[in-house]
Amino acid sequence: DTAVSQTPKYLVTQMGNDKSIKCEQNLGHDTMYWYKQDSKKFLKIMFSYNNKELIINETVPNRFSPKSPDKAHLNLHINSLELGDSAVYFCASSLWTVLWETQYFGPGTRLLVL
Amino acid sequence: EDKVVQSPLSLVVHEGDTVTLNCSYEVTNFRSLLWYKQEKKAPTFLFMLTSSGIEKKSGRLSSILDKKELFSILNITATQTGDSAVYLCAVANNAGNMLTFGGGTRLMVKP
Repeated sequence: DTAVSQTPKYLVTQMGNDKSIKCEQNLGHDTMYWYKQDSKKFLKIMFSYNNKELIINETVPNRFSPKSPDKAHLNLHINSLELGDSAVYFCASSLWTVLWETQYFGPGTRLLVL
Repeated sequence: EDKVVQSPLSLVVHEGDTVTLNCSYEVTNFRSLLWYKQEKKAPTFLFMLTSSGIEKKSGRLSSILDKKELFSILNITATQTGDSAVYLCAVANNAGNMLTFGGGTRLMVKP
């Protein structure tokens, strides 16, 4: 069974479009995250949600809007996509909210904006 | 600003070799250092280190933290091709609301 799953795995789209990435975890964790990994492999946290409530919101353009319909799901919607949004986006989950807690990552969504 | 620097950037070894990966950090109110292995897809957790001088070990992998000198090393002995991956180091603060990743060390193990 996949612990943390993301869809789609690959997303190729044009500048200016709006797209969504979905994430689901079946670990029973309370906290979920979105990370962006750029071409230099730096992973940067974007958001974290605990039980559907936004906990961490790093300096991310407001074109990015996370939505958590329930604690097992955290979706990422991106408006007006830009070239610089091209990256791999990882969803993760952990039992508790503190960032030192072991996180379980999804397989990533590779986004390419043309 | 919190900073995590990993070295070397990349490393090519042969099966059976021993490698040491380095991670140095500057972080306000340090809590823990974490090591992750990233193969083609998702990072997977390896170790969490909180106390200085205590080695964590899992099979051929081991890691130790030096809180005085602000670094950690990850050792892999008798490397295998399956160890080929990017190894990521991350540092968390006390409040648990900041996790800073280094840029990773890309390890390639040749048969």
